[in-house]
Amino acid sequence: QITLKESGPTLVKPTQTLTLTCTFSGLSFSTSGVGVGWIRQPPGKALEWLAIIYWNDDKHYSPSLKSRLTITKDTSKNQVVLTMINMDPVDTATYYCVNNPWLSGAFDIWGQGTMVTVSS
Amino acid sequence: DIQMTQSPSTLSASVGDRVTITCRASQIINTYLAWYQQKPGKAPNLLIYKTSTLESGVPSRFSGGGSGTEFTLTISSLQPDDFATYYCQQYNTFSPWTFGQGTKVEI
Repeated sequence: QITLKESGPTLVKPTQTLTLTCTFSGLSFSTSGVGVGWIRQPPGKALEWLAIIYWNDDKHYSPSLKSRLTITKDTSKNQVVLTMINMDPVDTATYYCVNNPWLSGAFDIWGQGTMVTVSS
Repeated sequence: DIQMTQSPSTLSASVGDRVTITCRASQIINTYLAWYQQKPGKAPNLLIYKTSTLESGVPSRFSGGGSGTEFTLTISSLQPDDFATYYCQQYNTFSPWTFGQGTKVEI
């Protein structure tokens, strides 16, 4: 059974850097085809895909946010870390960690999400 | 970016109704389309992928169809548990994967 859980700050100030960690179980980056990504959802709005990282360290980012995002993995800890620089109030959202196997494209397992508010 | 447009934005229906939600892509995405259900305060749940393949455990009253740029999600007989918001998502290309704006199915 695959589970994912997000952790990180609930409140960040404008211009600060957000660091979110996804800790998962039931899969491993030592296995070919494993991929874990991030999706966010502002309150009352639609979903927005942010980034994905695969077992082979292949990474993809949303073009509109690419300059602000970094995604990394720690195979030994079963973790994926998303860093977003220069946070703005419009980045206030629930951030979800998702399972996305190689060549799948669909997100079959989601974390519970973590709400991040950007405010001074 | 490939834009995904869902219609309607809100759908009012009754238990037992057959409902259909449409998702249109701004360019051809072949059959690389997924549907999700989201209930308030919860993470989305994958219902259908590759346009018409039902995710394991999803009731058979849900079905998906379409190709190219126009796709549909149909619920054959709406149940009380189905009142939620539904999103389509294309994954034809990485740049980027995009979602529709959502369709709220309400009583």
